[in-house]
Amino acid sequence: KNQVEQSPQSLIILEGKNCTLQCNYTVSPFSNLRWYKQDTGRGPVSLTIMTFSENTKSNGRYTATLDADTKQSSLHITASQLSDSASYICVVSSVGGRSGGGADGLTFGKGTHLIIQP
Amino acid sequence: DARVTQTPRHKVTEMGQEVTMRCQPILGHNTVFWYRQTMMQGLELLAYFRNRAPLDDSGMPKDRFSAEMPDATLATLKIQPSEPRDSAVYFCASVWGQGLSNYGYTFGSGTRLTVV
Repeated sequence: KNQVEQSPQSLIILEGKNCTLQCNYTVSPFSNLRWYKQDTGRGPVSLTIMTFSENTKSNGRYTATLDADTKQSSLHITASQLSDSASYICVVSSVGGRSGGGADGLTFGKGTHLIIQP
Repeated sequence: DARVTQTPRHKVTEMGQEVTMRCQPILGHNTVFWYRQTMMQGLELLAYFRNRAPLDDSGMPKDRFSAEMPDATLATLKIQPSEPRDSAVYFCASVWGQGLSNYGYTFGSGTRLTVV
């Protein structure tokens, strides 16, 4: 069964510090991997999307990496701000239909809950 | 900005009552998803439509849940009768085409349902 595991489950850091969130997946065949940010009381919003051939992509202070060989991804947040407090969800797409996890082959992680303290 | 609109934002109801949640997808998006999110399970797919036709509703408890898309601008999710275990946040998302590699996968703000 296709799975996406995220770690840590929750994380508290001080404002201004950097942090890295992890995503390990067992989804096959692989199409792309996305990171979403979900603020409290809001829907998830896409941060990055990476295909098999991409191993790093940035969006402002967010940098995602992908190692398709080891099936691992990370999301690095630089110089954290209070507004970065949110849940970060890793989503992996599978080619060719349902992967056992979601619509059209989307498998969701349960997210990392990040709290930035002043 | 184009957005997916969900109503109501919050709903508190008594066990056994009918609940209807509504979603207005982004104009031009032809694929609409319903998800449920809980702390324990994260995001779970309930059902989705493409061009208003239901493609998959295997994630839904069929005896009490129903999803419809009466027209291209409205999707509904109904629970009858509601139970306390249905308490969750229900999200609608829309996209054009398949969800596999489309960048325009947009979520609504959700309906927080509490069944007491």
